[in-house]
Order: sequence, then structure tokens, then C-alpha cells
Amino acid sequence: ETGVTQTPRHLVMGMTNKKSLKCEQHLGHNAMYWYKQSAKKPLELMFVYSLEERVENNSVPSRFSPECPNSSHLFLHLHTLQPEDSALYLCASSPGTTGANVLTFGAGSRLTVL
Amino acid sequence: GENVEQHPSTLSVQEGDSAVIKCTYSDSASNYFPWYKQELGKGPQLIIDIRSNVGEKKDQRIAVTLNKTAKHFSLHITETQPEDSAVYFCAARPSGYSTLTFGKGTMLLVSP
Repeated sequence: ETGVTQTPRHLVMGMTNKKSLKCEQHLGHNAMYWYKQSAKKPLELMFVYSLEERVENNSVPSRFSPECPNSSHLFLHLHTLQPEDSALYLCASSPGTTGANVLTFGAGSRLTVL
Repeated sequence: GENVEQHPSTLSVQEGDSAVIKCTYSDSASNYFPWYKQELGKGPQLIIDIRSNVGEKKDQRIAVTLNKTAKHFSLHITETQPEDSAVYFCAARPSGYSTLTFGKGTMLLVSP
């Protein structure tokens, strides 16, 4: 498989549940990202990892917890979410974090919080 | 920080017409401006990008222009086809920063 793969594609959870989103990239990239996409809003950067180290955290609530065990895998652990957290969560990767690095996005995980 | 404004939010054209999407940015230090296309059910995909040392770049039916003085850049699609229908995002990245700031997106609908 090539590119950036995200699972699951769709997730419905209650506010008390704990779930995880998974992202895997097969491009040999060193940087991985989580973005939140809500209707009529710009893509919101949540987290950036470079060589498994978190380099950016854009004031994301602690109910979102990222994990990057290696440069090919990225997780987003979810717990006690709110209905306003319903959105499309996009994972992306890039060769590095400097210069004009092209982002390659996955297809996203559509999250609905009831 | 950087702020990117994108217009229009929706654009409907007839097949064969041209489409233009415009973006403005606030940080004069920005030097990289990509455009992404997002089709239904897919993630955004880079279609063209431009760096601040270039005023225009073309790739077949798409072109991007950059006016650094006015801090705006535009995407031009000629001879539009139904498969061009998608949401298009512009973005900007200040020099030395690792991350992009995106616009809100433009939904382009090309009618046969």
C-alpha cells in the first residue's frame, strides 16, 4: 500500500467513550501531522511530529492525545469528547518540517460525537 | 501569525469556462504558497505551488499568480471540466516556519 492510510474512515462515539484514530504512511517521510477539518473553517493544525518528537501543539484540548511510536505511524487517542469535536480528522506527512515540504494527506477519519 | 483569506467560498461555472480563486495573506515573510484540491471523500492533494521568487507558474490547465506587493495570489483554471469540481484550498507558509496556514476553501462546481 502506498501513500497515507487512515483508519477507521468513520467513527461514532459517545462522550464517555475512548477511541483511537490511526495513521500510517508508506512514503519514508520524517514528519507527520494531525489536522481537524470542520465545515466552513480553515484546516486547523493540531499536532506536528518530526522524527517521532512532537514539535508543535496548537493549544489542543487534553481530551486529544497524540502518539507517534515511529516515523511511519501516528495515533490520535480520543477520550471524553464533546459534540463540537465532530469533524473530519486528517493525517498528513511530509519529508521534513523545513522549507517547502509538500504535505501528503490521508483520506481522513470522519468522527461523530453523540 | 499568518492569516489567509480566500474568495469566493463557492464558484459555479459552465464546462469550458475559466475559474479564478483568490487568496490574500497577512505575513510579508511568507514565501511558499501551495494550492490543494479536495475531492469528495478524499484528503486534500497538492495541485500546484509557487515560491515568492516567482510571479507565475503554469501546469497545463492550471496556473498560479503571486503579487508579493499586494500580498495576494490566485489560482486560474482554464477550460474547466466536470472532474475539476472539488474544494480548493490555498495556503501560505512564512519563512522559517514548518507549518501551513490554510484558507477556508472554495467549492468549485463545473456544470456540463
